[in-house]
Formats: sequence, C-alpha cells, structure tokens
Amino acid sequence: AQSVTQLGSHVSVSEGALVLLRCNYSSSVPPYLFWYVQYPNQGLQLLLKYTTGATLVKGINGFEAEFKKSETSFHLTKPSAHMSDAAEYFCAVTRGSASKIIFGSGTRLSIRP
Amino acid sequence: GAGVSQSPRYKVAKRGQDVALRCDPISGHVSLFWYQQALGQGPEFLTYFQNEAQLDKSGLPSDRFFAERPEGSVSTLKIQRTQQEDSAVYLCASSPRDSGSGEKLFFGSGTQLSVL
Repeated sequence: AQSVTQLGSHVSVSEGALVLLRCNYSSSVPPYLFWYVQYPNQGLQLLLKYTTGATLVKGINGFEAEFKKSETSFHLTKPSAHMSDAAEYFCAVTRGSASKIIFGSGTRLSIRP
Repeated sequence: GAGVSQSPRYKVAKRGQDVALRCDPISGHVSLFWYQQALGQGPEFLTYFQNEAQLDKSGLPSDRFFAERPEGSVSTLKIQRTQQEDSAVYLCASSPRDSGSGEKLFFGSGTQLSVL
C-alpha cells in the first residue's frame, strides 16, 4: 500500500527565510510524487511533480522538490518565503496506471512579516 | 467551462436525509476522482472513474455512498441517510488521461456538506 507522511502540521517562517516542508512516502513500486497547494477558499493546484528522470524538480512560484529514493523523501523547498506563500500544502503519491492518488494530511505554512 | 465545476457549493442536510453532489469535469477529461476532506485534514480518496468505468471504489466509507458517471462526463456522488460524520468538503478532480500516469489533477472548489 502507498502512503505519505507530512512532518509538521504547521510551519511558520519569516518573510525572506527558507521554506522547508517535509514529506516521506511509502510505496512498493517506483512512485509518482506531487505537491499541491490550497489557498483559502480555492481548489487544490499542482505545484510540481516527479515521475521519472531528474530527481530535482522545479515548480511554480519558485518552489522545488528533490526525490531521494534512499531516504524515501520528497521535501518541498523555496529559498525565500513571500507573504503570498501562506497556504496549505499537500504531498501526494501514486504508483502508476489507473491508480488512486493518495494525499498527506497537509502542512499549513504561515509567513511572519 | 474553463475548470471543474461542483454544485452545490454548500449543502446543509438533516441527519437521515439523502443528498446528491454534482461534478462537471473539464470537457474531454478521462479520469475523475472524488475525495472527502475533513476540516484540517488532507483529501481522502473515495472513488475513481476512467470514462464511465468505476475502476476503484475502495475509499467509499459505507454502502450509503454511491457514485456514478454514466456517460463518462458528469458525475454524481450520492449519500443516503446522511450522518453527522459525513460532514466534510467533497472534492472532485479530473485529468485529461489516466491520472496514474502522473498527469496532474484539476480540482473543483468542492461542496461543503454539513449534516445537522
């Protein structure tokens, strides 16, 4: 069975500081991994995804994530936080064709002025 | 329309009432998912359609929950004899192809169901 674990339900950083949101996955087969963002009163939007190839993937709004098979991790980072980054972030995994996509419990990111 | 549309946006039901939630995916999208999102939690998978075929319904919490997509486009999630624990936001998402191939999901804004 597949699952994702997001460490930290709430992360708070200062504006301009590094953002690090942690995600670890469990999968019996090579996974496809995603990060989605949910702004208040909006639907989830894809930030970035890893399927195959380069393990460092870049997404929208300056976010990036690195797939580390040895650590079963897919942490999300952004070098410099902006106030507009305040939102809920979800890590997700799927195993391939015709498979459901499993979401983590989410991490709420707050940005301090 | 331009995106995934869900209706109603809000639904208040009395315990024991039946409800039907509608999802209009992006035209031509093959895959359609239903998720349940409780307050402060991540979306929990309910069921998955590829065209009109329901390929996975393992997430439906009980036999009170039923989903259909008869013509491979619009989908309806029906909950019979609603209970208070059914209160949540129900999200619909669609994708142009088999979402298990890594294609991104396009989400609707959800239907917030409150069971009193």
